[in-house]
Amino acid sequence: DTAVSQTPKYLVTQMGNDKSIKCEQNLGHDTMYWYKQDSKKFLKIMFSYNNKELIINETVPNRFSPKSPDKAHLNLHINSLELGDSAVYFCASSRQGGRLSNEQFFGPGTRLTVL
Amino acid sequence: GQQLNQSPQSMFIQEGEDVSMNCTSSSIFNTWLWYKQDPGEGPVLLIALYKAGELTSNGRLTAQFGITRKDSFLNISASIPSDVGIYFCAGLNTNAGKSTFGDGTTLTVKP
Repeated sequence: DTAVSQTPKYLVTQMGNDKSIKCEQNLGHDTMYWYKQDSKKFLKIMFSYNNKELIINETVPNRFSPKSPDKAHLNLHINSLELGDSAVYFCASSRQGGRLSNEQFFGPGTRLTVL
Repeated sequence: GQQLNQSPQSMFIQEGEDVSMNCTSSSIFNTWLWYKQDPGEGPVLLIALYKAGELTSNGRLTAQFGITRKDSFLNISASIPSDVGIYFCAGLNTNAGKSTFGDGTTLTVKP
């Protein structure tokens, strides 16, 4: 049973295109995140949503727009893709409140390659 | 923003050896977390620490929350080939509402 799932696993596209990555969690968590992992493996938070509301936006270009249709889904839409957007994007989720809210469960990642 | 210094950046060790890595920060955290990322996968939580001075074990892994609340270390004893991966520390200050990740320690274990 997959806890946090992402689609697609791999995404190869041309510069300038618009693409979306989907994320779903079946853990009943209230908070979801998007992270970007670059070629040096550095893991940087991009967005955090709590109950469909944006709570963290880490100076990400506005070409990136997260959308949360419900608290189990947080999709990432990217407009006008650039070469520097190539990376692995991870979705994660956690409970809200209490000690366990600190523990994040990550999806398997989406490797985006922009040509 | 808060910064974490994680070291070493990479380690090459022989199977059976012990491993030690650490994270330090100029800021205080009230939670420290250690994750492992296997190749081609997402990070998985190994150990969570919630109290200064806390020492917690998970099998061959032991992690400690520094007394100053500005550092944490992770030890792996008697390493095996499946320990290979990237280990990330993460510090959390609940006021900030987000985890700050270290830059990772890449571990290679030679059989």
